[in-house]
Amino acid sequence: DAKTTQPTSMDCAEGRAANLPCNHSTISGNEYVYWYRQIHSQGPQYIIHGLKNNETNEMASLIITEDRKSSTLILPHATLRDTAVYYCIVRPMTTDSWGKLQFGAGTQVVVTP
Amino acid sequence: NAGVMQNPRHLVRRRGQEARLRCSPMKGHSHVYWYRQLPEEGLKFMVYLQKENIIDESGMPKERFSAEFPKEGPSILRIQQVVRGDSAAYFCASSPGDSLAFFGPGTRLTVL
Repeated sequence: DAKTTQPTSMDCAEGRAANLPCNHSTISGNEYVYWYRQIHSQGPQYIIHGLKNNETNEMASLIITEDRKSSTLILPHATLRDTAVYYCIVRPMTTDSWGKLQFGAGTQVVVTP
Repeated sequence: NAGVMQNPRHLVRRRGQEARLRCSPMKGHSHVYWYRQLPEEGLKFMVYLQKENIIDESGMPKERFSAEFPKEGPSILRIQQVVRGDSAAYFCASSPGDSLAFFGPGTRLTVL
């Protein structure tokens, strides 16, 4: 049973910000929100994760709502190489199985020139 | 520091043959995870191993599939008597155990 809900697809113009929403209304207090992406025919690539505070790294920003029931991944200046399937995943913080992730269908993001 | 390595990248087998997929984790990583991605579908967890131990095999098919992670050498995912439905991309990921897991480039298995 999916713990996250994401739109099936979205388009974004090159150079513009891409805002990818994710609903995780049943998230528990000890679960992180993770984002990975999978460029066609490649292995998943880690992007960012967070618990309750907003996070930013060189790839993206993660905005988590105060009630933690949803989040938004922001790619500040999308490029053609950002075309990929983006996965939003929730994962408990108490387990040592960091690589056991429940991937849903994700959002297919297409960046257009 | 090299990333997770998988070989072969592409593997073709005829029905009934065996397929062996190898995964070399990142340096310092002792935890390995295998995933399968069927055509046009999402990634599904198969098995989680630490050195010489299977920790969680809840996603492994009950028959024909096995995995190992010996003390020395890569982790091996073995599929016996392959069938056409085994055609998929198989990814492994590794982690040091207390932080993020990183994925390899995958092995694409085609069963003729």
